[in-house]
Amino acid sequence: EAGVAQSPRYKIIEKRQSVAFWCNPISGHATLYWYQQILGQGPKLLIQFQNNGVVDDSQLPKDRFSAERLKGVDSTLKIQPAKLEDSAVYLCASSFDSRGYGYTFGSGTRLTVV
Amino acid sequence: KQEVTQIPAALSVPEGENLVLNCSFTDSAIYNLQWFRQDPGKGLTSLLLIQSSQREQTSGRLNASLDKSSGRSTLYIAASQPGDSATYLCAVRPGSSNTGKLIFGQGTTLQVKP
Repeated sequence: EAGVAQSPRYKIIEKRQSVAFWCNPISGHATLYWYQQILGQGPKLLIQFQNNGVVDDSQLPKDRFSAERLKGVDSTLKIQPAKLEDSAVYLCASSFDSRGYGYTFGSGTRLTVV
Repeated sequence: KQEVTQIPAALSVPEGENLVLNCSFTDSAIYNLQWFRQDPGKGLTSLLLIQSSQREQTSGRLNASLDKSSGRSTLYIAASQPGDSATYLCAVRPGSSNTGKLIFGQGTTLQVKP
């Protein structure tokens, strides 16, 4: 079975620029998650989708971060404008249902803001 | 608020040694606990998942235990090999949540020397 696909793998941008990350979950997985992992820390949940609806976005900095999951499949996470502290690995994960069964992570996108 | 702590942050052992990684969490009301492995530049791979009603899970040379009442879990690796070198993360799914949200510790980086 194909895994969770993410692109790009790496991105370097200047502060105040915008950036977007893309995720394609495992086929049939209704739930999609975006996590932020700052160097030396564990991943932190930014947003969880169930199909194309938002379940939890309590830790998403909504003044600069946005995410969407059109048609309940692919998802895009956007940052605008980026700050230096946004430098991190952005991990996408998917699971079969909202309870988290079959949790599978993608390889992540490493963002560096200079 | 659930917090997850992993000790030690880094560990270096000679090949063949048995070792224990520790994870503690502040709220015993959890749905389950997972141990993940993360290789540099890669996503997270689930190693073991322990439901809140279980005491331990085993997979090959890995054994994870859970003591929910004391808020502790351990990951035991037998006969360590250089290929075990990676960062090990534990994560809990809060029992109070209906979502698949995971709360991670900061990880233990393991180096197994040949």
